[in-house]
Parts: sequence; structure tokens; C-alpha cells
Amino acid sequence: DQQVKQNSPSLSVQEGRISILNCDYTNSMFDYFLWYKKYPAEGPTFLISISSIKDKNEDGRFTVFLNKSAKHLSLHIVPSQPGDSAVYFCAASGSATISGGYNKLIFGAGTRLAVHP
Amino acid sequence: DAGVIQSPRHEVTEMGQEVTLRCKPISGHDYLFWYRQTMMRGLELLIYFNNNVPIDDSGMPEDRFSAKMPNASFSTLKIQPSEPRDSAVYFCASSLFLLGQAPYEQYFGPGTRLTVT
Repeated sequence: DQQVKQNSPSLSVQEGRISILNCDYTNSMFDYFLWYKKYPAEGPTFLISISSIKDKNEDGRFTVFLNKSAKHLSLHIVPSQPGDSAVYFCAASGSATISGGYNKLIFGAGTRLAVHP
Repeated sequence: DAGVIQSPRHEVTEMGQEVTLRCKPISGHDYLFWYRQTMMRGLELLIYFNNNVPIDDSGMPEDRFSAKMPNASFSTLKIQPSEPRDSAVYFCASSLFLLGQAPYEQYFGPGTRLTVT
């Protein structure tokens, strides 16, 4: 039962154009979403996040959009650069518990982005 | 800080052998996570610890898998006996919970690529 789905295993984009990576989730209790980037032979690194109280968060060339009614989020990279070529993981979590605990991240399977000149 | 350290980086073993993966989290972090990455299932959380105490091990696939965290600076993931289907990349990650802040950004190690023949 995949609660976080990245249906496109790969994406190829020309340098300078926009890259759009998509992610769908099924659990309506998720209220925090993150994107991680992973280069070969390295661990994933945090890229950008968004809380469910927002519908957009921007950080430089990276923007994440959240559509709660559709249970869908997307990562936009503009303009795309060859160094953006990596695997991108979408992750989701519920809020911390009232006691201040922690809810684990649920990751999607990843989308491999290739940015070519 | 050196980041999350994992050893070994590569492990090749024969079916039936015991395998031990090691992790040193970032100093001061109070959460430690073990993940497994496969092509089919992406990044799966196996187990996580808070202040050295296992909190959720529901992702551990079988009794052949066990994890310990004897102190704040060291954790092990053991597979005994190992099987070919255990072949994957195993990641360790750590994070710090700060009250009032979303504790979801995790710092990953470079991973251990395990091959069981």
C-alpha cells in the first residue's frame, strides 16, 4: 500500500526549460511534505518542504506546489540545469504528536531527472 | 561536522552469512533512522530510534533483521542469516527535534550497498 506515489520513474528535460516532478498521496492526515534530491553513490539531501497550511513554497529556482483537494504536489525547477540531474524523492508526514513526538516520513519511489544540454 | 557516517560502503557476502551495517549519526541529533532502497519499493523506513530507544520497527521485514543503538553515537543493523533478496542500499539518517519546528528534515549517510550472492 503506497501512500506516496511518484508515477513517473524518469523525466528528461532540456537545459534552461522547466522541470515538473509530480507526487500524489492518499493519506489525508499528511500535513507536511518534503522533496529530497539524491545523486549517485550519495545519500538523499533535503531540498524543499511545504506545510499543508500553504499551497506554495519557493526557494530560488525550486518551487513546490500543494493541492490538498487533489492530494497532489509538484516540484518545479526553473530554469533546469545539468547539475539538477538526480533522483528526486517526495516524502510526506503527519504532524508531530501532541506529546511532541515525531511521525515518520513516507517516501515515494523517486523520479530520475535528466537535464541535457 | 562530518555528517552521518556509514560503514562499510560496500558489502558482498554469501547467502546465510551474518551482515552488520554501522552508523554514526550527527552529534547532538536525537533521532536515528534506518532505510532500505530498492528499485521496486524506493526508500522504505525499517526502524527508527529516539534518544537511543527504538520507537517504530514496523518496517523491519523479518526476524532476520535487528537493529540496536547502544549509545547516542552508534547504531547497527544486523541481518542474520542474509538472503539474496536483502540486496539493496541501506541508508542511515539522523535528525534533531526542536519544539515548535517541523522535525522532518533528515540528514542521510552515503549508504551501504549490500550484495548477497
